[in-house]
Amino acid sequence: DGGITQSPKYLFRKEGQNVTLSCEQNLNHDAMYWYRQDPGQGLRLIYYSQIVNDFQKGDIAEGYSVSREKKESFPLTVTSAQKNPTAFYLCASSIRDRGFGEQYFGPGTRLTVT
Amino acid sequence: AQSVAQPEDQVNVAEGNPLTVKCTYSVSGNPYLFWYVQYPNRGLQFLLKYITGDNLVKGSYGFEAEFNESQTSFHLKKPSALVSDSALYFCAVRDMMPDQTGANNLFFGTGTRLTVIP
Repeated sequence: DGGITQSPKYLFRKEGQNVTLSCEQNLNHDAMYWYRQDPGQGLRLIYYSQIVNDFQKGDIAEGYSVSREKKESFPLTVTSAQKNPTAFYLCASSIRDRGFGEQYFGPGTRLTVT
Repeated sequence: AQSVAQPEDQVNVAEGNPLTVKCTYSVSGNPYLFWYVQYPNRGLQFLLKYITGDNLVKGSYGFEAEFNESQTSFHLKKPSALVSDSALYFCAVRDMMPDQTGANNLFFGTGTRLTVIP
């Protein structure tokens, strides 16, 4: 999974609790991304960041928050406002160019909220 | 607006036979197209991409894909399937407008599960 680590691999939380998913990369990439994967729906973009201290909402940002204080780190917080948080969460990174570069993915975190 | 469609949720093929996983796209500008593979409980792995140039793109693990502009398709192919090719395959597109720079946001299809039967 090419220089991107996500922890933990499995995470269990009670409903109403916030939870933070970790994503770290050592690829020296400027851009980082968070996706949510649900069966039959492919990957949907939650947030992305092109550079430190800057991030943008993706297609399904409601109930999530992020920070980008360091180039190598892009943590995602799933808040209690997210109505259906149980999913597989994938972090990715890429060089920041004119679109040629592919994204490199971490191994994912499976979050279960009961 | 950009989108990709993977019309088949499931593709079954016998080991040793050629395989095709289909993808069609819709973009406003120039399409940048990607294929990724996902093994169970793992992240996505990059297979290949089309940016410009030769319509036949070769990638990792013996896979190739053919860009067809008139049919707006980018089908993934392999001449001889292996059992180890069984996985979930995603097509993705970036809609590249002429003056656009910055983040490489991708739009992913819903995935096709490939099963290679021994």
